[in-house]
Amino acid sequence: AQKITQTQPGMFVQEKEAVTLDCTYDTSDPSYGLFWYKQPSSGEMIFLIYQGSYDQQNATEGRYSLNFQKARKSANLVISASQLGDSAMYFCAIRTGNTPLVFGKGTRLSVIA
Amino acid sequence: NAGVTQTPKFRILKIGQSMTLQCTQDMNHNYMYWYRQDPGMGLKLIYYSVGAGITDKGEVPNGYNVSRSTTEDFPLRLELAAPSQTSVYFCASSSRWSEKLFFGSGTQLSVL
Repeated sequence: AQKITQTQPGMFVQEKEAVTLDCTYDTSDPSYGLFWYKQPSSGEMIFLIYQGSYDQQNATEGRYSLNFQKARKSANLVISASQLGDSAMYFCAIRTGNTPLVFGKGTRLSVIA
Repeated sequence: NAGVTQTPKFRILKIGQSMTLQCTQDMNHNYMYWYRQDPGMGLKLIYYSVGAGITDKGEVPNGYNVSRSTTEDFPLRLELAAPSQTSVYFCASSSRWSEKLFFGSGTQLSVL
């Protein structure tokens, strides 16, 4: 079975600083995809970034980048130049060839002015 | 573009009542999903569908039923509501199995 572990229940970061949110995963399927979603206090789920298991380069989307270390089974999200609007819950998720998206428990990020 | 639309946004049920959470998408996506999110937790998959007429159980299907008669609609039925079903329910869709999910805005359900 697929599993996502997010070990940081809460994180604080100073505005304009970079922050790394940890995510480790477990799967025996060689083909999988890793996703990060943001959930602000309003509750909606916002897609941030995707990394496929066969992608050679780490994914980037604006201020978001994914530090993908396949051998260590980690897919950490890096947010550069944090903004107050980045305060939210962040969820890591994995999808395999025959299993829909499985989510971790999330990390609450608080950006301090 | 409406995307994924869920109704209602809020609902309070009494123990033993039944209700249907509605979900419709206008993106012609084959894949649709129902997740629930308990307070302070991640999302858990209840049911999913890979196309009209095809549904399958997720991680937490007990107490729920689904149907998929059209590509657009994927209603979730709660029979005999229980306090353990108090949660926020999200419907989502995707164009392909490997693609990102588009989520609805959620339904906050309380069973008292």
